[in-house]
Amino acid sequence: ETGVTQTPRHLVMGMTNKKSLKCEQHLGHNAMYWYKQSAKKPLELMFVYNFKEQTENNSVPSRFSPECPNSSHLFLHLHTLQPEDSALYLCASSQESGGGPYNEQFFGPGTRLTVL
Amino acid sequence: AQSVTQLGSHVSVSEGALVLLRCNYSSSVPPYLFWYVQYPNQGLQLLLKYTSAATLVKGINGFEAEFKKSETSFHLTKPSAHMSDAAEYFCAVREYSSASKIIFGSGTRLSIRP
Repeated sequence: ETGVTQTPRHLVMGMTNKKSLKCEQHLGHNAMYWYKQSAKKPLELMFVYNFKEQTENNSVPSRFSPECPNSSHLFLHLHTLQPEDSALYLCASSQESGGGPYNEQFFGPGTRLTVL
Repeated sequence: AQSVTQLGSHVSVSEGALVLLRCNYSSSVPPYLFWYVQYPNQGLQLLLKYTSAATLVKGINGFEAEFKKSETSFHLTKPSAHMSDAAEYFCAVREYSSASKIIFGSGTRLSIRP
């Protein structure tokens, strides 16, 4: 595997279900990100992890719970979601979350989530 | 605060024609600017980036963009469109001090007519 991978690619869940999204990066990066991409809206940054520590939480509802056990893996645990949470969830990674001209983000293919 | 505006949510050009996707930014400090492409059912792929070196930036797949400070613009161009260029294109602006503080535009969907 190369780059950033995400599983599953598609997920359908009911509002009472609990599921998890997984992201893995094979780039040796130290920062990982969760984004939400909804139709007709700009990408929304949800969470940022730098060296396994959460550094940003952009007012995300508690029904979304991230976990970063190491610099290569990132999870998004989902429970009691709402239909409006249906979206494409993208994971990204970068060398670190600090500055510098070469610290760009690399994205995974996303998980298409549908909440019924 | 930084922001980015993409003019035109949908652009349609004929195969072989010039592609021009517009992006204007707002930033109180010298920005880093990016163009990403998203093909159907895929994540975002970096096309090119401006990081205060040359103002004309060449990217992958024959795309290029020119940073114009006086116009606060970073428009994306390609001389001759190909059917495979059909995708969603996102302009983004980022603070030089933080990789996480990147603001994406709302995207422009590019369609190519045979």
